Parts: sequence; C-alpha cells; structure tokens
Amino acid sequence: AQTVTQSQPEMSVQEAETVTLSCTYDTSESDYYLFWYKQPPSRQMILVIRQEAYKQQNATENRFSVNFQKAAKSFSLKISDSQLGDAAMYFCASGLNTDKLIFGTGTRLQVFP
Amino acid sequence: EPEVTQTPSHQVTQMGQEVILRCVPISNHLYFYWYRQILGQKVEFLVSFYNNEISEKSEIFDDQFSVERPDGSNFTLKIRSTKLEDSAMYFCASTMRGSSTEAFFGQGTRLTVV
Repeated sequence: AQTVTQSQPEMSVQEAETVTLSCTYDTSESDYYLFWYKQPPSRQMILVIRQEAYKQQNATENRFSVNFQKAAKSFSLKISDSQLGDAAMYFCASGLNTDKLIFGTGTRLQVFP
Repeated sequence: EPEVTQTPSHQVTQMGQEVILRCVPISNHLYFYWYRQILGQKVEFLVSFYNNEISEKSEIFDDQFSVERPDGSNFTLKIRSTKLEDSAMYFCASTMRGSSTEAFFGQGTRLTVV
C-alpha cells in the first residue's frame, strides 16, 4: 500500500524568502509519480509540480522545485522568492501509473510581508 | 485552457435524502475520479472510473454511493441516503492516462448534510 506523510502541519516564510516543505512516501512499486498540489482558500486543487520516479533529474517549475531522494523516499518542495499568493495548503501526493492519487495530510503555508 | 466543471458548487441537503453531484471532465480524458475532503482533513480517494466501469473503489465508497457516466460527457456521484458524516468537499478529477499524466481537478462541490 502507498502512504504519504507530511510532518509539518504549518510553515511560515517571509515574502521573497525561500521555504521547503517536506514529504516522505512509501511504496513497493518501482514505477510511480509524485506531485505537489496547492489548495488556496477557494479549495480548488492546483497542480504545482510533478515528478516521475524513473527520472533522476529534479523537476522545476519557475519558482518551485523539488528535491527527490528516491532511496530515502523523500520528495520535498522548495519555493523560492515566496509571494503572498503562495499562501495556501500544500498537499504531497503519489500515484501509480493508472491509479488514484494518495494524498498526505497537508502543510499550511503562511507568507508574511 | 481545458477544465473540469462541477455542479453545484454548494449543496445543502437533509439527512436521509439522495444527492447527485455532477462533473463534466475534460473531453479527451479517459480516467475519472471522485475524491472527498472533510473540512480540515486530507483529500481521500473514493472511486476511479475507466471504460464505463468502476476500476477501483475505497472503503469509504460503500453501497450508498454510486457513479455513472450517463451520456459520455457527465460523470455523476450519487449518495442515496446522506448521513451527517457525508458533509465534505467532493472533488471530481480526470486524467488522460491515470497518474502518468496530470490530474485536473474541478472546483469541488461543498456538500452540507443537516
């Protein structure tokens, strides 16, 4: 069974600074995908970044990047140059090829001006 | 940009009543999902649907739940006899080929059972 763990219920960062959100997962599969989703107060789920487990290179999307440590089953999200609009709940999730997503419990990110 | 559309955005129903939550997935997607998020908690998988049948369902998805794709575009979740604990945000999602491609989520339906 897949599990996803987010050990930080809340994090805060100053505007323009960098913050890292942690995520660990467990799976016995070799072919899987990892995701970070952002959920603003509107509660819509927005994909931030996606990583294929077979790729060694860490995914990057503008100010968002991941540190994917496959052996350690760790998938952290780094947000650089934080903006007020980054404030939201962030969910880490994993999925097998044609399977559902398994979500962590989320990290609430606050951004202070 | 293509999007998943869910209606209604908010539904209030009396305990024991039936509700139908509607979703229009992205037109060329093949895999459809319902997820549930109780307020303040994590997003939980309910059911996946592919090739006009359920491909997987969770323990939450008991006999009071059903899904169907009646006309090739809408994807519905029916709760036959709602309970107070069914109050949650329900998200529909669709993907082209499962987790190997991006899951697009709808904006959610907030279900309140009173």
